[in-house]
Amino acid sequence: KNEVEQSPQNLTAQEGEFITINCSYSVGISALHWLQQHPGGGIVSLFMLSSGKKKHGRLIATINIQEKHSSLHITASHPRDSAVYICAVKLLYGGSQGNLIFGKGTKLSVKP
Amino acid sequence: GAGVSQTPSNKVTEKGKYVELRCDPISGHTALYWYRQSLGQGPEFLIYFQGTGAADDSGLPNDRFFAVRPEGSVSTLKIQRTERGDSAVYLCASSLAAGTAEAFFGQGTRLTVV
Repeated sequence: KNEVEQSPQNLTAQEGEFITINCSYSVGISALHWLQQHPGGGIVSLFMLSSGKKKHGRLIATINIQEKHSSLHITASHPRDSAVYICAVKLLYGGSQGNLIFGKGTKLSVKP
Repeated sequence: GAGVSQTPSNKVTEKGKYVELRCDPISGHTALYWYRQSLGQGPEFLIYFQGTGAADDSGLPNDRFFAVRPEGSVSTLKIQRTERGDSAVYLCASSLAAGTAEAFFGQGTRLTVV
């Protein structure tokens, strides 16, 4: 079993829809990242959070430390949001300080 | 520079050849990380530098892989005797410090070994 699980693996939505991507993890963490990866490979860091909720534009990320679960929400989705969204956690114990463990990503496609 | 820069963006090489991938981190970032992402998978850790030294190289798959950061800034990932299985996107990230500092990622280098 992977230490970081994302769902769904693939998601197709119509423009304007509210989107939720989920991330569950099984290890103690010090922080969780949500990353966006466009075709071609480049990764952009969307959020880093260790508790509560963060909002940036149409993106909202929440984390529940007790339940070891985080969600990424996109409101009023747009075709330009189409990308792979990756959840990554930084271990609280063990590993090195640089070691992020990544989920396999959720491929989002927003149709006009 | 304004962000993490990786060069080349694409590299095609023949099996058995030597390749070097370069990462130029954000100025002032002491921590630098290399990851490898195979098709359909999430990135996997290779090596992490704190300053000039490799703090953790436990992710390097074998001794064909080596990375340096001689002046604590630019890093080079070196792959000897490349194999087709080395084909992947190689990602570099940097952060102001280790620990909980946010990591910023480069665009990646897509390596194809033919």
